[in-house]
Amino acid sequence: GAGVSQTPSNKVTEKGKYVELRCDPISGHTALYWYRQSLGQGPEFLIYFQGTGAADDSGLPNDRFFAVRPEGSVSTLKIQRTERGDSAVYLCASSLTAGQGANYGYTFGSGTRLTVV
Amino acid sequence: QKEVEQDPGPLSVPEGAIVSLNCTYSNSAFQYFMWYRQYSRKGPELLMYTYSSGNKEDGRFTAQVDKSSKYISLFIRDSQPSDSATYLCAMSPNSGGSNYKLTFGKGTLLTVNP
Repeated sequence: GAGVSQTPSNKVTEKGKYVELRCDPISGHTALYWYRQSLGQGPEFLIYFQGTGAADDSGLPNDRFFAVRPEGSVSTLKIQRTERGDSAVYLCASSLTAGQGANYGYTFGSGTRLTVV
Repeated sequence: QKEVEQDPGPLSVPEGAIVSLNCTYSNSAFQYFMWYRQYSRKGPELLMYTYSSGNKEDGRFTAQVDKSSKYISLFIRDSQPSDSATYLCAMSPNSGGSNYKLTFGKGTLLTVNP
């Protein structure tokens, strides 16, 4: 597609439930990133994929968070036993390559707004 | 202290005003400096990037980086109501294999009043 697509756009879940957030990057982009943006904050890095492998998952807050990208395209962020503190906008971005910083242009999706009640 | 500090505002200006936005940072490894614009309920979109120190101009926008002071700025000339958005600074290092990892400021909410 023309841009990065994220689904669902909104997700409300009960504390303790499991959720999956999907990201469909721009076709041909090998690098994919997940960021989390809490209310009133800038996005914070979660994980970076180069192709199918997670090259850097150092930003995942704990082992309840996991992400996959089995075919090197679509990625799914999975959160187990959700907590109210997980409420945030989860942003996905992709780029042609990891490149030098962002000078090749990371394209962000509109995000999934997750609310844990 | 956070690695990147940005005054969240809000900042309200009349149409046509010159807007100055800025960030300070503490990590001397940062070499790439970016400004993103984020409209409500949308993802950030890249406005400008600068490598190392210096100025860069693109239309009504000018980005400045002063590495000696660890201070970056974005100037918007002849501001328009359509410029109303949150402006996020972001930075990344050029070494250590982690140049893909962006560190963002909190963002400054700007409103340009017609």
